[in-house]
Amino acid sequence: GENVEQHPSTLSVQEGDSAVIKCTYSDSASNYFPWYKQELGKRPQLIIDIRSNVGEKKDQRIAVTLNKTAKHFSLHITETQPEDSAVYFCAASIIGGGSQGNLIFGKGTKLSVKP
Amino acid sequence: NAGVTQTPKFQVLKTGQSMTLQCAQDMNHEYMSWYRQDPGMGLRLIHYSVGAGITDQGEVPNGYNVSRSTTEDFPLRLLSAAPSQTSVYFCASTPQGGANVLTFGAGSRLTVL
Repeated sequence: GENVEQHPSTLSVQEGDSAVIKCTYSDSASNYFPWYKQELGKRPQLIIDIRSNVGEKKDQRIAVTLNKTAKHFSLHITETQPEDSAVYFCAASIIGGGSQGNLIFGKGTKLSVKP
Repeated sequence: NAGVTQTPKFQVLKTGQSMTLQCAQDMNHEYMSWYRQDPGMGLRLIHYSVGAGITDQGEVPNGYNVSRSTTEDFPLRLLSAAPSQTSVYFCASTPQGGANVLTFGAGSRLTVL
């Protein structure tokens, strides 16, 4: 079945620096790759997603890149701010076997942005 | 719209007790799912439903039952609680299929003693 590996597990950056979180997936048929942000004690919320027919997507300071050949995708946050501090999860969709595109999540990256 | 509503927010059980976590959505979403979140383990899919009357197992279904009698409700039942089921549980929904934006509930923190 699908397996999603996420690195690093923790990341600490200075305010204003960039942060990059990387994920790899195992099922070459996966076609949907969202990123969720979870603040302490809150529910996960989507921050950006990408589908397999697109190589890169940007939304202000956040971007996601997808390399289908290598089966990896990355989250890039530029000009980080203290409010970016949270746990970030990547996910990949499962295709086939009646899974209806269920999402398999990585184990998360705790990002700390130091003022 | 209230979105996805989960109850209770907190619950403490003793080993062997049973309980039901409630989940309701008012967005007319066909797809609903339950995840559990444990420290360092991310979100793991327990059960999911693609519509009323249809349910299926996810990654970690053992010890849990679900039913989907209406589009709005998707309760998760713990038949005989075990300490290994201590976790935060999230219900989520999306209009159709799982490969779309999930709307999560606020979560239910369950402790099994």
